[in-house]
Amino acid sequence: QKEVEQDPGPLSVPEGAIVSLNCTYSNSAFQYFMWYRQYSRKGPELLMYTYSSGNKEDGRFTAQVDKSSKYISLFIRDSQPSDSATYLCAVDTGNQFYFGTGTSLTVIP
Amino acid sequence: AAGVIQSPRHLIKEKRETATLKCYPIPRHDTVYWYQQGPGQDPQFLISFYEKMQSDKGSIPDRFSAQQFSDYHSELNMSSLELGDSALYFCASDSSRLGRKGYTFGSGTRLTVV
Repeated sequence: QKEVEQDPGPLSVPEGAIVSLNCTYSNSAFQYFMWYRQYSRKGPELLMYTYSSGNKEDGRFTAQVDKSSKYISLFIRDSQPSDSATYLCAVDTGNQFYFGTGTSLTVIP
Repeated sequence: AAGVIQSPRHLIKEKRETATLKCYPIPRHDTVYWYQQGPGQDPQFLISFYEKMQSDKGSIPDRFSAQQFSDYHSELNMSSLELGDSALYFCASDSSRLGRKGYTFGSGTRLTVV
């Protein structure tokens, strides 16, 4: 079983829609959770970093962690065409990160 | 703000040749990580260095080696290249002193082995 599982999509939504991206992880000892955005042929860019359960909001982005079910989510409100990218969830073990396979998102104008 | 710098951006090598990839972390970052990302794949951890010492090792082939120098830059050396080594190689850095707040990645080196 992979440390992090993520639905690869692809996901296609109209501009202005609310996007929900999800991952599950295997080890309840994981404490740090991240969401990265990766444009084609670019390095992953950190979007959100969370430590505890609950919600963390940054502009149009909200990261949610449910440690009881080992489930992490990223919500994007008022999605824009510039949000079109691959979104990777990641968990931090303290020595390295494990990434999900990424969800490809396309926001249609 | 300064970011993680990787060089070269693109590299084409033939089978059985060697390649050296370089990574310059963000100033004051003491930890460097190397990842390999195949087409349509998530980044796979290769190796990491903290304060010039190897701190963790992932799925790095024996044909590859890496080190971190006194100025904290790191080099990934790849020998006896195989077609399957064609991938994007990312370097990331962070600082143990500034608290773990997620990596900052470079833009990557695209290696093509022909």
